[in-house]
Amino acid sequence: NAGVTQTPKFQVLKTGQSMTLQCAQDMNHEYMSWYRQDPGMGLRLIHYSVGAGITDQGEVPNGYNVSRSTTEDFPLRLLSAAPSQTSVYFCASRHDYTEAFFGQGTRLTVV
Amino acid sequence: DQQVKQNSPSLSVQEGRISILNCDYTNSMFDYFLWYKKYPAEGPTFLISISSIKDKNEDGRFTVFLNKSAKHLSLHIVPSQPGDSAVYFCAASKGGAQKLVFGQGTRLTINP
Repeated sequence: NAGVTQTPKFQVLKTGQSMTLQCAQDMNHEYMSWYRQDPGMGLRLIHYSVGAGITDQGEVPNGYNVSRSTTEDFPLRLLSAAPSQTSVYFCASRHDYTEAFFGQGTRLTVV
Repeated sequence: DQQVKQNSPSLSVQEGRISILNCDYTNSMFDYFLWYKKYPAEGPTFLISISSIKDKNEDGRFTVFLNKSAKHLSLHIVPSQPGDSAVYFCAASKGGAQKLVFGQGTRLTINP
């Protein structure tokens, strides 16, 4: 039972590089989301999706793109990485009125 | 605009005593509340939740209280154990599978 799988676990990028953080869930949850965790800031919502083909912005969407072509996958794209995007990123999935399940996180450093 | 707030960044409690973590929210439309626990280098894990139609929910050593008029919820851990040392986040949502809004977290340390 995999739950929510995030890859990679660690990544170092140079400023201006692009990359995609992968997220996959096997629980058939309609709702998926991306958060970033920074010291003293808690978990801040970047983007979320309520189903395949439907995405919306969270609190801190700038610099990030998402798409949801299938129920299972919800990749997060950084088009041009900046040092301010150094953070730990978490993907989560959820069903109606239940808890959200989180992946193990991706620690991203932008130099 | 911080809709969910945890005003205590840290809390230190002696083993065996009660730990009380607090959370305030501003959006009266929130109808589902959750607590998560997070260890370093791991993803948050679900602890306990409560619907707005209730004012209390218990699960073993963990109890969540909801005061809708004060827009306040609290998590009680009794008795506290060393393994409870972690960062605790409260979260809220409105309606079904809508987005979860998290607080800033409280770091709980249980001292022997």
